Amino acid sequence: NAGVTQTPKFRVLKTGQSMTLLCAQDMNHEYMYWYRQDPGMGLRLIHYSVGEGTTAKGEVPDGYNVSRLKKQNFLLGLESAAPSQTSVYFCASIGSRNQPQHFGDGTRLSIL
Amino acid sequence: QQPVQSPQAVILREGEDAVINCSSSKALYSVHWYRQKHGEAPVFLMILLKGGEQKGHEKISASFNEKKQQSSLYLTASQLSYSGTYFCGTEGPDAGGTSYGKLTFGQGTILTVHP
Repeated sequence: NAGVTQTPKFRVLKTGQSMTLLCAQDMNHEYMYWYRQDPGMGLRLIHYSVGEGTTAKGEVPDGYNVSRLKKQNFLLGLESAAPSQTSVYFCASIGSRNQPQHFGDGTRLSIL
Repeated sequence: QQPVQSPQAVILREGEDAVINCSSSKALYSVHWYRQKHGEAPVFLMILLKGGEQKGHEKISASFNEKKQQSSLYLTASQLSYSGTYFCGTEGPDAGGTSYGKLTFGQGTILTVHP
């Protein structure tokens, strides 16, 4: 039982490049979330999904897009990477409200 | 709006106690507590729901005062393994009155336990 798996674990990009981060969960969870974490700060919600085919904006959505074509996968895209998007990205999921969020191990992204 | 945690950092010796506070300016449905070690993902500790309940997890317990929109995490007889950054995550109604399990996290409290 893998739980929540994020790929890749590390990535270095140049400014203006694009990439997609994948989050996959095998717990049949409805709700999925993408956060970013910067040094000395807590996690900030980028986008979230309440079920297959749905997405919504979180606290810091600018510069990111997401898709949830399959229930188990939640993709985070950077269309034109900027140095300000250098961060650690975490994906999390829950089956229903009032449940612990299950986090992936994170993706460490550096943009030069 | 981000909940405010205090203190920002705590240094303890093994066996000492600590209290970490989390305060929100918004009405809350629940408060979640997580611990994160350097380079790792946050690890769930406990959830407190409306009703002013107090929960415990070994030597770590927490309380939630929904009227004051505050929660406190109590760590007793601290161990070296307690070192890490503690985050509270608050869930409350958004503009539409829903929440969908979304959490707003505090900035974290760094706890260091020395032998």
